[in-house]
Formats: sequence, structure tokens, C-alpha cells
Amino acid sequence: SQKIEQNSEALNIQEGKTATLTCNYTNYSPAYLQWYRQDPGRGPVFLLLIRENEKEKRKERLKVTFDTTLKQSLFHITASQPADSATYLCALDKNTGFQKLVFGTGTRLLVSP
Amino acid sequence: EAGVAQSPRYKIIEKRQSVAFWCNPISGHATLYWYQQILGQGPKLLIQFQNNGVVDDSQLPKDRFSAERLKGVDSTLKIQPAKLEDSAVYLCASSPPRAWETQYFGPGTRLLVL
Repeated sequence: SQKIEQNSEALNIQEGKTATLTCNYTNYSPAYLQWYRQDPGRGPVFLLLIRENEKEKRKERLKVTFDTTLKQSLFHITASQPADSATYLCALDKNTGFQKLVFGTGTRLLVSP
Repeated sequence: EAGVAQSPRYKIIEKRQSVAFWCNPISGHATLYWYQQILGQGPKLLIQFQNNGVVDDSQLPKDRFSAERLKGVDSTLKIQPAKLEDSAVYLCASSPPRAWETQYFGPGTRLLVL
């Protein structure tokens, strides 16, 4: 069956450290994968998109990797800050034509001062 | 640029009652999505519109849920009758025509069915 798995346990890290979140998927062949940030009571906000032929993408303190052989994406936040505390969702394209995203359950990140 | 607008923000109803949610996407965005997000889960696509036509409604429980997007702008999502398991946040999102891979989400409507 098709699955997208993110660590359901919250990730607690100290300010200044690098946070690494994992997204694994099975039985999908996505053309691209996205990461969104969601704060309590708000809708998800788009952060980064990485395509199947790209290994790595960066944006400021954010870095995403995409390994289609391992069927895994890693999301890194360097020099993390308490303001980075949120739930991070990975979403992949079902590659069926019109963009249709399937979301993971999200991982909650808590950055302590 | 104004974001995706949704109303109401919160709604409490009893089971078997009806409820409707409204979404106004970002101006010029042809694609509109409705998602259901149950607590602790990721958003699940219910229906996708391209202009005023339905692209995908395969996960919409059509016996009780309906959606329309008249004139290809605003959209409404209706539940009739509601069940306890419909308690969730209903998110609307839209995508621009030249960057259709990126979705912009509204704040959502939090529904509680008692």
C-alpha cells in the first residue's frame, strides 16, 4: 500500500543546532516533493520544492535532500531558532497529471532557547 | 497580495445538521483545493477545481459532501448531514497558473460535530 511516513514524535533540539526531519515514502513515484510549515491554528505554508532529478535544494537556513532510490527526503534547518518551532509536513506529488499532493502526518519541532 | 480567505473560522454543530464553508482564493489563481485535516494528521485532499470544473473528487464522500465553484472564483463546501467523524479543520488552498506546483493555504475552518 502507499504510505508517507514522518516521525510522529516531536523533535526537541537546542537553539543553534541543526534540526533534521525525515520523510519516507513507499509505492509512490513522485515527480517532486515539497515541505510545508504549519503553525497551530493556521494553514500550511510552502517552504521548498525539490524535483526527482535534484539531489539537494537550499533556501537560506533550509536544506532539502531527495533520494529516489531510498525513497526518502531529509529536511534540515541550520542554526535553529525558537521561532522555527512548528509542525513540518512533507508532501509529494502523485505524478498523475494535475498536481495532487499527498501529505505526511507531520513532525513537530520544538527549539529551546 | 491578499491571501486565501475562509469563513467561518470556527463552527460547532450537532450531528445530522448541515454546515457550509466558504473560500475566496488568491486573485488569479485558477486551481482551488479543499482539504480535510483531522487532528494529528496531514491534510487530505477532498476536491480539486480547475477554474469552475472538477479535476478530482475521488476522496470526497459524495453521499454527504458537496462542493461548487461558480464562476471559477469563490467556492463553497457543504456537509449534509454531518457525522461525528467530520470534526476536523477544513482547509482551502489555491495555486497560480504559472507556478501551479505551489499551493497557498487559507487559515482553515475548524468544525466540531457534537
